[in-house]
Amino acid sequence: KAGVTQTPRYLIKTRGQQVTLSCSPISGHRSVSWYQQTPGQGLQFLFEYFSETQRNKGNFPGRFSGRQFSNSRSEMNVSTLELGDSALYLCASRKLAGGADTQYFGPGTRLTVL
Amino acid sequence: DQQVKQNSPSLSVQEGRISILNCDYTNSMFDYFLWYKKYPAEGPTFLISISSIKDKNEDGRFTVFLNKSAKHLSLHIVPSQPGDSAVYFCAASARETSGSRLTFGEGTQLTVNP
Repeated sequence: KAGVTQTPRYLIKTRGQQVTLSCSPISGHRSVSWYQQTPGQGLQFLFEYFSETQRNKGNFPGRFSGRQFSNSRSEMNVSTLELGDSALYLCASRKLAGGADTQYFGPGTRLTVL
Repeated sequence: DQQVKQNSPSLSVQEGRISILNCDYTNSMFDYFLWYKKYPAEGPTFLISISSIKDKNEDGRFTVFLNKSAKHLSLHIVPSQPGDSAVYFCAASARETSGSRLTFGEGTQLTVNP
């Protein structure tokens, strides 16, 4: 079974630009969550989508947004990029939106903002 | 407010010996705990999980222990192998209040020496 895939793997942008990252969950998984990893803040939760609806949101500004499509694929958008947005962005999928179910992570997208 | 803490940034053990990684948490609403292993520039790989209704879970060389009264969990790896060298993250979720949102510790770099 294929794992979680994320595209692109690497991205370089300049301040003020916007970026869209894509995530395809494991087949049959309907919940997709996004996390940001930085050296200073560690791994932090951005948001979760299930059945095309955002179910949970972390403490990030409104510049960070996402959506989920009917095939469970998800995109994350960051507008008006800042230097501090440079990070590894990770997507995780799981089968169910509730209960004890494990999240499986993709390889991440490394975003560098210059 | 660091709700999940891994107080040891690094741990070095000899091949064949036991590795013990520790994690403390403060949020009493956490009811599901996971350990992930991570290599640089890759996504976290799920290792093992435990529900708060249990105090031990085993999977091959990996055992997780949970002490709810102390708000402490540990991951035991026996025997340790050089391929286990990676950063290990402890994560927790409070399914009742925060759904699938994972809160991560800072990570512990495990080095297994041949």
